[in-house]
Amino acid sequence: GDSVTQMEGPVTLSEEAFLTINCTYTATGYPSLFWYVQYPGEGLQLLLKATKADDKGSNKGFEATYRKETTSFHLEKGSVQVSDSAVYFCALSDTGANSKLTFGKGITLSVRP
Amino acid sequence: GAVVSQHPSRVICKSGTSVKIECRSLDFQATTMFWYRQFPKQSLMLMATSNEGSKATYEQGVEKDKFLINHASLTLSTLTVTSAHPEDSSFYICSARDFRGAQHFGDGTRLSIL
Repeated sequence: GDSVTQMEGPVTLSEEAFLTINCTYTATGYPSLFWYVQYPGEGLQLLLKATKADDKGSNKGFEATYRKETTSFHLEKGSVQVSDSAVYFCALSDTGANSKLTFGKGITLSVRP
Repeated sequence: GAVVSQHPSRVICKSGTSVKIECRSLDFQATTMFWYRQFPKQSLMLMATSNEGSKATYEQGVEKDKFLINHASLTLSTLTVTSAHPEDSSFYICSARDFRGAQHFGDGTRLSIL
């Protein structure tokens, strides 16, 4: 079945540091890929997405490129802020009318002032 | 943008109580809603897919008699945890799928069973 693998966490960075969070996936067909963010005590918010190979999703300074050849969707940000501290989930969705999301385990990011 | 309201945000109750959680899509219709369970520091586990006007589809290992799902309208799905016990304590999150196929998440319900 479909699966998403995220790098182990947690990750602690200083403000303005460069961020990379790795994500790889296994899926049949051509899934859509997502990054969701969960702030403390809240539900999930869609951060960015990509629906086909070589697409780049971007939002709030975060970027991720859909790499079919390496089955990856790594999340990057050039300069993190304290407000970026949250849990980040990589996810994929199969296609079709009954599509469902499959999530990675999530990784906690803490940014120090 | 699409808003999903989940209520209540937090519940604390005694063992043996049944608890109902509501998930509403406020500004769009959702024929399909999803219920997830999240354990501390872990990922979201899909419990069931709720389809308006029909029975929910439960994932393997989820007790349908324990977690009752009702999707009576295009904007409301409810999850009832029946005869809850401490092991049912968790963070429950719903999502609603819009006509484009995007899922929009509620803010979750923290359930604590004493």
